[in-house]
Amino acid sequence: QSVLTQPPSVSAAPGQKVTISCSGSSSNIAYNYVSWYQHLPGAAPKLLIYDSNKRPSGIPDRFSGSQSGTSATLGITGLQTGDEADYYCGTWDSSLSAGVFGGGTKLTVL
Amino acid sequence: EVQLLESGGGLVQPGGSLRLSCAASGFTFIGHAMNWVRQAPGKGLEWVSSISGTGAGTYFADSVKGRFTISRDNSKNTLFLQMNSLRVEDTAVYYCARDQGTSGRPHYFDNWGQGTLVTVSS
Repeated sequence: QSVLTQPPSVSAAPGQKVTISCSGSSSNIAYNYVSWYQHLPGAAPKLLIYDSNKRPSGIPDRFSGSQSGTSATLGITGLQTGDEADYYCGTWDSSLSAGVFGGGTKLTVL
Repeated sequence: EVQLLESGGGLVQPGGSLRLSCAASGFTFIGHAMNWVRQAPGKGLEWVSSISGTGAGTYFADSVKGRFTISRDNSKNTLFLQMNSLRVEDTAVYYCARDQGTSGRPHYFDNWGQGTLVTVSS
């Protein structure tokens, strides 16, 4: 059981938009920035979003992040087949004094 | 270019020990906290441990507290994870990940290694 809750899967057609939610609590998301990672099978995870809504250099603006209260959201527009991957949210949990990840969301581009 | 190369994984019996290493290059190693993150077969990412840039501060997930030790050698740009009293449930790919911060408290992980597989089985 992950501390952060994500939907197990989402899907959409190429060119469409999808959002992935990440639900937490007052001990994590409410007071700490969320980051998002893309994980393709057999590859190293890749940072997509940090500090809630910032993109590292090289990450296209099709990827966006937002955070409010105890929840965060990753948005992906203009879906491509290459976006098929597992997506994870992560943050710090002040009660656990530990880093925490969501359970991951598998994105399928139909 | 930032590079992180893990090594030391392998097959170990329950109750055994293993030491993972992560060789870092392409950046000022002491300027970044470092983390270990693992992924068990068919499961999601799990944060394991972090260490501050100087090595003075460390954090651990409850699942490994008291069994795993994290350390670093800043003169050799290398991160370590000493894993003792290994359990079947520790079987996973272990990733080394660079933190943007220096304090040791995980902030976000901007570079990751390819991972090393640890299998705990009799």
